Amino acid sequence: QSALTQPASVSGSPGQTITISCTGTSSDVGGYNYVSWYQQYPGKAPKLMIYEVSNRPSGVSNRFSGSKSGNTASLTISGLQAEDEADYYCSSNTSSSTYVFGSGTKVTVL
Amino acid sequence: QVQLVQSGAEVKKPGASVKVSCKAAGFTFSTYSMHWVRQAPGQGLEWMGIINPGGASTSYTQKFQGRVTMTRDTSTSTVYMELSSLRSEDTAVYYCARARRLDSWGQGTLVTVSS
Repeated sequence: QSALTQPASVSGSPGQTITISCTGTSSDVGGYNYVSWYQQYPGKAPKLMIYEVSNRPSGVSNRFSGSKSGNTASLTISGLQAEDEADYYCSSNTSSSTYVFGSGTKVTVL
Repeated sequence: QVQLVQSGAEVKKPGASVKVSCKAAGFTFSTYSMHWVRQAPGQGLEWMGIINPGGASTSYTQKFQGRVTMTRDTSTSTVYMELSSLRSEDTAVYYCARARRLDSWGQGTLVTVSS
């Protein structure tokens, strides 16, 4: 199972809106509504930001939103803040009853 | 609150095995699936496998088939991941995580494989 494809880096200025894509196949992203997104700071464990494509866990800012179209899922961060600078990973379950992560995207706040 | 506390760092020689533990608290352990995920230095997250709530069923990614074993002990609310035939490429931080959506994570356990 190959990793889902994410851009290596995305940047934006404070207050701007950025979008991170996560592209898979019909055997993972496109076939199920179990796409999640995680935020990870250096040296720390990942944190769940979005689950089941577009749901936010309690406590996660509503500046984070998720969507999916076909085999591509997206994470949108609106009103970008300095604290959003981190690595972001998508994940999906697969037709093989396994899970797969994306390659990861480094978000830089300019 | 939900807590997943993992065992401490390990240093192993190539060919050896390592067993990492993850002790759960703050939730009904017996009703949740548990994942193991690893992250090599400077690299991304890699999903390794999942064990179902009862422990009778596991699913591993093909890359680790035959080398990884995941078990759980409901009496101590602990899940284990054992990786055998270690090689230098297995040097990584290993994480446990709860539930289908991986909504809570352990602090990570660094496993270093070096001769």
